[in-house]
Amino acid sequence: QKEVEQDPGPLSVPEGAIVSLNCTYSNSAFQYFMWYRQYSRKGPELLMYTYSSGNKEDGRFTAQVDKSSKYISLFIRDSQPSDSATYLCAMTTGNTPLVFGKGTRLSVIA
Amino acid sequence: GAVVSQHPSWVICKSGTSVKIECRSLDFQATTMFWYRQFPKQSLMLMATSNEGSKATYEQGVEKDKFLINHASLTLSTLTVTSAHPEDSSFYICSAGPGLTSGRAYNEQFFGPGTRLTVL
Repeated sequence: QKEVEQDPGPLSVPEGAIVSLNCTYSNSAFQYFMWYRQYSRKGPELLMYTYSSGNKEDGRFTAQVDKSSKYISLFIRDSQPSDSATYLCAMTTGNTPLVFGKGTRLSVIA
Repeated sequence: GAVVSQHPSWVICKSGTSVKIECRSLDFQATTMFWYRQFPKQSLMLMATSNEGSKATYEQGVEKDKFLINHASLTLSTLTVTSAHPEDSSFYICSAGPGLTSGRAYNEQFFGPGTRLTVL
């Protein structure tokens, strides 16, 4: 079992839809959870950062962490064509290197 | 967030030659820098961690004599791919952060825009 599992998609949604992206993980020691957005041929850009369990909201983006289920989610409300990108989850214990998911490719169709 | 740049953004080289990629932190002191490799439709794979003034720590399976890392200052790290082969063609991304002893090195990384290497 890989440490971090993420469905690679692709995921295609109409403009304005709510998007749900998810990752599962196996290492219960992970404490810090991140979501990165990566446009084609660009480096990752940090979107959301969560410590331990709970929810965090920033504009149209909401990150959820459920440590009991080892499951994290990113929700995008009112999705826009400019949200079309690959979304990577990543996590760390704080003392070990980031472990990334494979990324989910999202297309928002106008 | 902090700004990290990479140069070049894209390079093509012949098999057997060496290529140097620079990673710079533009507005902060990067005690720790990380080098990743990303193949198409794959995730980022950590290659090595470097601390300013120290030798880099390489991940298992990464040849340190092939991928030379130098982190001589708090704003610059370089990755040199020596005797490049077509299978080294990939997207190389660096990230920078505070020192490992800060306890924040892994969860406060800022990524560069990446360098696409194509070896013919």
